[in-house]
Amino acid sequence: GAGVSQTPSNKVTEKGKYVELRCDPISGHTALYWYRQSLGQGPEFLIYFQGTGAADDSGLPNDRFFAVRPEGSVSTLKIQRTERGDSAVYLCASSYDTHNEQFFGPGTRLTVL
Amino acid sequence: AQKITQTQPGMFVQEKEAVTLDCTYDTSDQSYGLFWYKQPSSGEMIFLIYQGSYDEQNATEGRYSLNFQKARKSANLVISASQLGDSAMYFCAMGSNYQLIWGAGTKLIIKP
Repeated sequence: GAGVSQTPSNKVTEKGKYVELRCDPISGHTALYWYRQSLGQGPEFLIYFQGTGAADDSGLPNDRFFAVRPEGSVSTLKIQRTERGDSAVYLCASSYDTHNEQFFGPGTRLTVL
Repeated sequence: AQKITQTQPGMFVQEKEAVTLDCTYDTSDQSYGLFWYKQPSSGEMIFLIYQGSYDEQNATEGRYSLNFQKARKSANLVISASQLGDSAMYFCAMGSNYQLIWGAGTKLIIKP
């Protein structure tokens, strides 16, 4: 079946703008995760959904970041008033449940000018 | 606090040789999982292998095996008979529930 998909693959925006990053998980996976990966580093946890609810959003850096998963499938990561420091690759992953391996999408490379 | 350490920022290995990528971890949890992922230049994170903390046997998946030494808190990845396509970043990660804690990665380059 299809893997995790993310759109757009690349996003260039100007400082102060609003962006939305979309993640389509593997069908049937109840758990969905967002990570941020800066150049030369491992991924950094942002938020985890179990079904429709955000079970843990402790990794979101500040209140400019918000994520939703209204129907328990597709998720959108929203960043308001983007800053240059938000530039990174945003990775989405899903798993059948929290005790299984996470399958990752190709990521969205966000560049804030 | 939980932590993953990968001490090898980069490695060069001759094609067809075996390679060991080091990973040590720190946790006070009794139940946890250890994961290895491969990230080629395309950017996608590819799951390779998993070891549960209570698993007595070392995990194996094809050419990948995990050398798990619980007392030493190490979970090294062994790739046998390396291939040019193995060139990539390799990340070790640990999870005790859903949140994965990641190492900084090792860049592996296979020489022909």
